[in-house]
Amino acid sequence: QSALTQPASVSGSPGQSITISCTGTSSDVGGYNYVSWYQQHPGKAPKLMIYEVSNRPSGVSNRFSGSKSGNTASLTISGLQAEDEADYYCSSYKTGRTVFGGGTKLTVL
Amino acid sequence: QVQLVQSGSELKKPGASVKVSCKASGYTLTSHAMNWVRQAPGQGLEWMGWMNTNTGNPTYAQGFTGRFVYSLDTSVSTAYLQISSLKAEDTAVYYCARDLTGNDAFDIWGQGTMVTVSS
Repeated sequence: QSALTQPASVSGSPGQSITISCTGTSSDVGGYNYVSWYQQHPGKAPKLMIYEVSNRPSGVSNRFSGSKSGNTASLTISGLQAEDEADYYCSSYKTGRTVFGGGTKLTVL
Repeated sequence: QVQLVQSGSELKKPGASVKVSCKASGYTLTSHAMNWVRQAPGQGLEWMGWMNTNTGNPTYAQGFTGRFVYSLDTSVSTAYLQISSLKAEDTAVYYCARDLTGNDAFDIWGQGTMVTVSS
């Protein structure tokens, strides 16, 4: 059982927006602004998409955005594209360690 | 180009040891912490711990103490993960990942090293 809770799957059609949630506790997501999001395509290494809740690394599309409310962080992908189909993982700092969510499979219909 | 290049796949028998390397290029190894992440077949990401590349001090996540050793050789810009007394359940892809900010933002990942433990 992962420390952070994500939906197992979400889906959307091209052009639509989707949101993936990541629920933790006041000891991780709610307690620090150190939430990251990663995209992983099959057989590939994860790629950092969002860090510190809402910051995008250089080169990441502005279609990806992050936010947080209380103990739940969210990743929103707007203008969904076929290449966005992948697994997405959230992570958070938690008192000297890092915890990951269980991952969400995004299907682009 | 900033990158981490890991050593190749390994097939080991139970009880054996394995050492995975992670060579940094395009940046100074000691300027960023290095983390290790495990992904078992068909499973999610699991944080294994991290290495303070300035001091060489490792921190091990729960479940990764005893048989796991993280080390560095700064002369060749390389981090290492050694696993001893291998078990079937150690079968996984192991990633090294650079921490961009020091606040758990893993911006550069190695390509992963598949370690298979089978008799």
